Amino acid sequence: KQEVTQIPAALSVPEGENLVLNCSFTDSAIYNLQWFRQDPGKGLTSLLLIQSSQREQTSGRLNASLDKSSGRSTLYIAASQPGDSATYLCAVNSGGYQKVTFGTGTKLQVIP
Amino acid sequence: GAVVSQHPSWVICKSGTSVKIECRSLDFQATTMFWYRQFPKQSLMLMATSNEGSKATYEQGVEKDKFLINHASLTLSTLTVTSAHPEDSSFYICSARRGSVNTEAFFGQGTRLTVV
Repeated sequence: KQEVTQIPAALSVPEGENLVLNCSFTDSAIYNLQWFRQDPGKGLTSLLLIQSSQREQTSGRLNASLDKSSGRSTLYIAASQPGDSATYLCAVNSGGYQKVTFGTGTKLQVIP
Repeated sequence: GAVVSQHPSWVICKSGTSVKIECRSLDFQATTMFWYRQFPKQSLMLMATSNEGSKATYEQGVEKDKFLINHASLTLSTLTVTSAHPEDSSFYICSARRGSVNTEAFFGQGTRLTVV
């Protein structure tokens, strides 16, 4: 059974800082991995998708890396802004039905 | 990206009644859809995998008779919470995948269910 863990559970940083969110998963036989953000009481916004054959993906100030063999992914946010405050979820696509298993989430607060 | 629409976005119902939530893929066909629930301050937990034209596959611990899933077409899956109780109050969200291999999962905006 795939298990996905995110560290830290919560993070508070001043505006402008660069930061790294971590995701680890137990079964390295994955199809792909996605990073999402979720605002309070809202649905999910997809940020980045990394296929199992890829090492990283970039979108604007976001960069996600994948080390499948070690079961790790990181989300790097450059020059953080208050608008980046949200919960960030890592989701791993694996298994026979390609089920998406979500991590525990990192709640980010960027202080102006 | 592809669009997955979920309706309603929120619903309040009385204990003992049933509530139906719809999940539609608006611009693609989805042979497989997934239903999740999220309790406050927790992550999303997969409830079941819905396959078009066949029975849904439920995760361990999820009551299939309470959470009825129907995937009658390639663009629509429904989740019916039967005889709802306050402990069923949660955020329910669906997901659909375009294609079958290594494709991105698209999520609906979620449904906030409150049972009073």
